[in-house]
Amino acid sequence: AQTVTQSQPEMSVQEAETVTLSCTYDTSESNYYLFWYKQPPSRQMILVIRQEAYKQQNATENRFSVNFQKAAKSFSLKISDSQLGDTAMYFCAFTASGTYKYIFGTGTRLKVLA
Amino acid sequence: GAVVSQHPSWVICKSGTSVKIECRSLDFQATTMFWYRQFPKQSLMLMATSNEGSKATYEQGVEKDKFLINHASLTLSTLTVTSAHPEDSSFYICSAPGTEAAKNIQYFGAGTRLSVL
Repeated sequence: AQTVTQSQPEMSVQEAETVTLSCTYDTSESNYYLFWYKQPPSRQMILVIRQEAYKQQNATENRFSVNFQKAAKSFSLKISDSQLGDTAMYFCAFTASGTYKYIFGTGTRLKVLA
Repeated sequence: GAVVSQHPSWVICKSGTSVKIECRSLDFQATTMFWYRQFPKQSLMLMATSNEGSKATYEQGVEKDKFLINHASLTLSTLTVTSAHPEDSSFYICSAPGTEAAKNIQYFGAGTRLSVL
């Protein structure tokens, strides 16, 4: 069975600084996808970034980038130039290729300080 | 991008009554949708997979008779919480896969807060 672990329940960062959120996972699948979703106070889940396991290159989306270490089963999210609007709960998620069933981590509550 | 609409956003009901929550894919068809439950400050827990034209698949520990799922069309799935009790109070979220199958991306509704008195 697959598991997703987020070991940082809460984090804070000063506005304009950089923060890294950790995520590790366990799976025996060879083809899979990893995601970071953001859930702001509105509770709407928003896709932040997506990584295909077969791609060695780390995904980037503007200020958001990942450090994907397949052998270590690690998938961390780096937020650069943090903004107040980045304050949210961040969930790491795993899904095996061919299925849309997501397995979510427990989440990291990020607070960006002015 | 794909939009998933969920209604209502908040519902309050009396204990013993049933509540229906709708999940619609607005600009795409979804043969599969997912229903999650989220307790305060916790993660999303998958309850069931809704399949258009067939029975839903429930996760272990989820009561089928308590949480009735119907996926009557390619754009609509409903979750009915039957004979609701205070312990059913929670935040319920639906999702649907986007049209680009290779991307494995799910799009989420805004969620429904259920409060059972």
